[in-house]
Amino acid sequence: GQNIDQPTEMTATEGAIVQINCTYQTSGFNGLFWYQQHAGEAPTFLSYNVLDGLEEKGRFSSFLSRSKGYSYLLLKELQMKDSASYLCAVPILTGGGNKLTFGTGTQLKVEL
Amino acid sequence: ETGVTQTPRHLVMGMTNKKSLKCEQHLGHNAMYWYKQSAKKPLELMFVYNFKEQTENNSVPSRFSPECPNSSHLFLHLHTLQPEDSALYLCASSQDLVGAGNSPLHFGNGTRLTVT
Repeated sequence: GQNIDQPTEMTATEGAIVQINCTYQTSGFNGLFWYQQHAGEAPTFLSYNVLDGLEEKGRFSSFLSRSKGYSYLLLKELQMKDSASYLCAVPILTGGGNKLTFGTGTQLKVEL
Repeated sequence: ETGVTQTPRHLVMGMTNKKSLKCEQHLGHNAMYWYKQSAKKPLELMFVYNFKEQTENNSVPSRFSPECPNSSHLFLHLHTLQPEDSALYLCASSQDLVGAGNSPLHFGNGTRLTVT
């Protein structure tokens, strides 16, 4: 079967660092995506990991451990505008090919 | 402004109405998708098209009917919907089908559908 788990909500302080975790269970692996979605807006692509390790992109970094079925998104120097839902997603192989399957998302609230 | 445009942004319809959602992508992508987003639930894949051919129907009820006349346009025709179909319907596109390496989805802003 397939399952993607991430915390429902997190709260952090402006200027701080926050780590959003995601665990997944798939029968195969074709990479892991992170998306950001502000309320009322489209999800936007943040990162893609297919190999183990840390990928850094400005204030945002994403880590992957394939053996543990685990990823995290690290946000540094938090800003108020980072308040959003963060979605973890993995392609799941189905009869019709791969379909990108999403977790329920982690609602991050950044406070002063 | 994203490269994927959806209209209308909001739609209220009765259970006996027929309406259509429209999606257009200006990114030159080959694959297009319909997703449903309900409160407290994960994004749920509905349909996938690759080079305007349907490759996935994720057990979607027949009251939802997709149409893909070309690689840039995607429609979702709605008829005799139920109140539980009220949700945000998101269109997305990608250069290649998901699973072919780093081919992220680009989403439109969605259509907020309310069925009364």
